[in-house]
Amino acid sequence: SYELTQPPSVSVSPGQTARITCSGDALPKQYAYWYQQKPGQAPVLVIYKDSERPSGIPERFSGSSSGTTVTLTISGVQAEDEADYYCQSADSSGTYKVFGGGTKLTVL
Amino acid sequence: QVQLVQSGAEVKKPGASVKVSCKASGYTFTSYDINWVRQATGQGLEWMGWMNPNSGNTGYAQKFQGRVTMTRNTSISTAYMELSSLRSEDTAVYYCARELVDIVATGNDYWGQGTLVTVSS
Repeated sequence: SYELTQPPSVSVSPGQTARITCSGDALPKQYAYWYQQKPGQAPVLVIYKDSERPSGIPERFSGSSSGTTVTLTISGVQAEDEADYYCQSADSSGTYKVFGGGTKLTVL
Repeated sequence: QVQLVQSGAEVKKPGASVKVSCKASGYTFTSYDINWVRQATGQGLEWMGWMNPNSGNTGYAQKFQGRVTMTRNTSISTAYMELSSLRSEDTAVYYCARELVDIVATGNDYWGQGTLVTVSS
């Protein structure tokens, strides 16, 4: 079955830039979506269609795509950004959606 | 305002079935797909499948095919997810989420609060 690969953890200091990657063979063909999840809460969509930002999401969140890797970038990280981040996409046929394993962002 | 309100926590025995509901309000129910996602304690998100409330069309993850059924009642703007032959590994929080699909998907922008399903003998 299709898989998306994320690093288990990323750590940054406040004000720095955090980059979280997500790799998958079908990413050149399928859009990626990014979700933020804080403990005990439902996920929140922060990026859709690789790089689009939903209304209400701060401008410091951005997304990019290059080949088989997509990247979520958080510029000027704040303490409130500490959370788990999940990428989501679909297999090459678009039939089956899948989540990456998640990345825990720690703000030092 | 848009809301997805799920049914309450369930405790089931192995081999039983569970049916979780997701009542939508604040938008046109038939205009957005409903995705179901689950999360075991301390684990990641797992996509289970989608349903188009307008047509009733569904698509299920291969892992759940044969065990999951997604339905809806448009008269009360409610989606349902039924999982059968429950085992302990199905213990998780189950979420519904809406997604606008207009040629391409735009992501799950609203989520239910989650329903904890516990499978235990």
